[in-house]
Amino acid sequence: AQKITQTQPGMFVQEKEAVTLDCTYDTSDPSYGLFWYKQPSSGEMIFLIYQGSYDQQNATEGRYSLNFQKARKSANLVISASQLGDSAMYFCAMRDFPSSNTGKLIFGQGTTLQVKP
Amino acid sequence: DVKVTQSSRYLVKRTGEKVFLECVQDMDHENMFWYRQDPGLGLRLIYFSYDVKMKEKGDIPEGYSVSREKKERFSLILESASTNQTSMYLCASLTPEQGSEQFFGPGTRLTVL
Repeated sequence: AQKITQTQPGMFVQEKEAVTLDCTYDTSDPSYGLFWYKQPSSGEMIFLIYQGSYDQQNATEGRYSLNFQKARKSANLVISASQLGDSAMYFCAMRDFPSSNTGKLIFGQGTTLQVKP
Repeated sequence: DVKVTQSSRYLVKRTGEKVFLECVQDMDHENMFWYRQDPGLGLRLIYFSYDVKMKEKGDIPEGYSVSREKKERFSLILESASTNQTSMYLCASLTPEQGSEQFFGPGTRLTVL
């Protein structure tokens, strides 16, 4: 069965420093995608970054990068130069791509990040 | 700008009431989803729909039903609300292409007394 695990319930980081949020996954499908979402205290889910299982390079989007280690089944999010506005809950999610292709996501438990001034 | 809207941000209902949560998307997406979010559990899928009048159960469908009469609208129904359904409810939609992300609504925080 598919599973996403985020082992860090809460993290602190000093403003302007980099931080890594951990995510491990389990699937038997060869074709899958990994997503990271940010949820500020206002509640909306904001898409940050995507990595496909066949992508050769690690995904990057501005200050966000995804450290994808396929053999280890990990997809850690790296936020560089943290800002106060990065304080939020972060979710890792996985989607497989079977023929039905429903687009269903399986989410991890989430990690709360607090950026200190 | 893509948009998913939900009918209420906050809702308070009494045990036993029938509750309707509405979700509307303006992106012509085929697939729509309802999740509930609880602390320490992340988001869990309740139901999803891949076409008008088509629906499938997610991981936690008990106590819920859904309706999709039009492509843009997906409703979550609590037939008889119970206190253990107090939660944050999030609606999402997407076009099922590889790599496409789900777009989420702002969420409805439901309290059942």
